[in-house]
Amino acid sequence: QTVVTQEPSFSVSPGGTVTLTCGLSSGSVSTSHFPSWYQQTPGQAPRTLISTTNTRSSGVPDRFSGSILGNKAALTITGAQADDESDYYCVLLVGSDNWVFGGGTKLTVL
Amino acid sequence: QVQLVESGGGVVQPGGSLRLSCVASGLTPSTDDMHWVRQAPGKGLEWVAFTRIDGRSKNCADSVKGRFTISRDNSKNTLYLQLNSLRAEDTAVYHCATGHNYYFDHWGQGTLVTVSS
Repeated sequence: QTVVTQEPSFSVSPGGTVTLTCGLSSGSVSTSHFPSWYQQTPGQAPRTLISTTNTRSSGVPDRFSGSILGNKAALTITGAQADDESDYYCVLLVGSDNWVFGGGTKLTVL
Repeated sequence: QVQLVESGGGVVQPGGSLRLSCVASGLTPSTDDMHWVRQAPGKGLEWVAFTRIDGRSKNCADSVKGRFTISRDNSKNTLYLQLNSLRAEDTAVYHCATGHNYYFDHWGQGTLVTVSS
């Protein structure tokens, strides 16, 4: 069974830069996994941030960027703001028409 | 403005059934793939099921295979999820989402399914 790994928690100072990663229990993440990233605050629906590795969704600030770093997908927040404090989820296409979410990263801005 | 509104959640006993609906407005569902994604209380997101634009190609997660069925009626702009043989671990908020190029684009607020005796 495929497991998608994310850091359970991360902390960043206001104005700082943080990189969250998304890996696979076995193997490397590549663009063919179509990694995408979502932001969620408690009680709210997820918000789509990044699709197909590095495409920002409409209305998403350019301080959010996606990439492949080594063998993982990555979400970088440059110049973190207080309202970036949220849960962040990645999801990978694994096989044919099968998606697997990571466990999520709780980001604290302080 | 795309809007997805789920309904049909509620409290059901283990082994019971429910049918969830997701009505879409502001877009033409026949041009989008559609998904169901769930989130158990205090837990992360879990992809549940997918249907292509034409409704003929579908897939679902191993955790619900054989128990849940996804379908769509493009004439009614509506996506469905039939939940059978429900278990306590199926308790979650169920979101529908549009799919585009292998990612989840627009999301609904979700409907809560509670499986409890």
